[in-house]
Amino acid sequence: QKEVEQNSGPLSVPEGAIASLNCTYSDRGSQSFFWYRQYSGKSPELIMSIYSNGDKEDGRFTAQLNKASQYVSLLIRDSQPSDSATYLCAVKGLSGGSYIPTFGRGTSLIVHP
Amino acid sequence: SAVISQKPSRDICQRGTSLTIQCQVDSQVTMMFWYRQQPGQSLTLIATANQGSEATYESGFVIDKFPISRPNLTFSTLTVSNMSPEDSSIYLCSVVTGGGDGELFFGEGSRLTVL
Repeated sequence: QKEVEQNSGPLSVPEGAIASLNCTYSDRGSQSFFWYRQYSGKSPELIMSIYSNGDKEDGRFTAQLNKASQYVSLLIRDSQPSDSATYLCAVKGLSGGSYIPTFGRGTSLIVHP
Repeated sequence: SAVISQKPSRDICQRGTSLTIQCQVDSQVTMMFWYRQQPGQSLTLIATANQGSEATYESGFVIDKFPISRPNLTFSTLTVSNMSPEDSSIYLCSVVTGGGDGELFFGEGSRLTVL
């Protein structure tokens, strides 16, 4: 069974700090990786996708992928209170001819002023 | 990305009744999925909605309880049948644009409360 593991948190960081969110996955055949942000009562919103080993930056967000270690992370620089949300890691791999996404349980991030 | 509209956004239902949730996308998409998110939990995949054929259900979900239709590449419905309080949840339609390993986008969800 494919698993995606995240620390549930909450992760609490001060405003302006770097928040580091981590995710590990069990399926070595996984090919695409995503980070979503979900505010309470809202649906998940895609922040970043990453497909290759290394770093991918988009504004204050950096996704890091290490397929050998089966590890993907999200760094949020200059954290703002508006970043307070649950962050979901999702992993996709080929299963039965289709790419089926598997989600972690999410990490709750709290950015305090 | 894609604009995904779900209806209803929320509903309160009586035990034993059924409710159909609609998902409309503003463009043709390769894949559509239905997820459930129970309070305080992460996303659980119910099924892949296949265009013109029966949906592919995940373990623990069956067609009699969650019948799904997908008559074309932009529309799908999920019915929650014979509801019980345990079915109280947010139901989310999601779509993949581009290739099968592409990005997944979500509708705004349908929050169901079963009394």
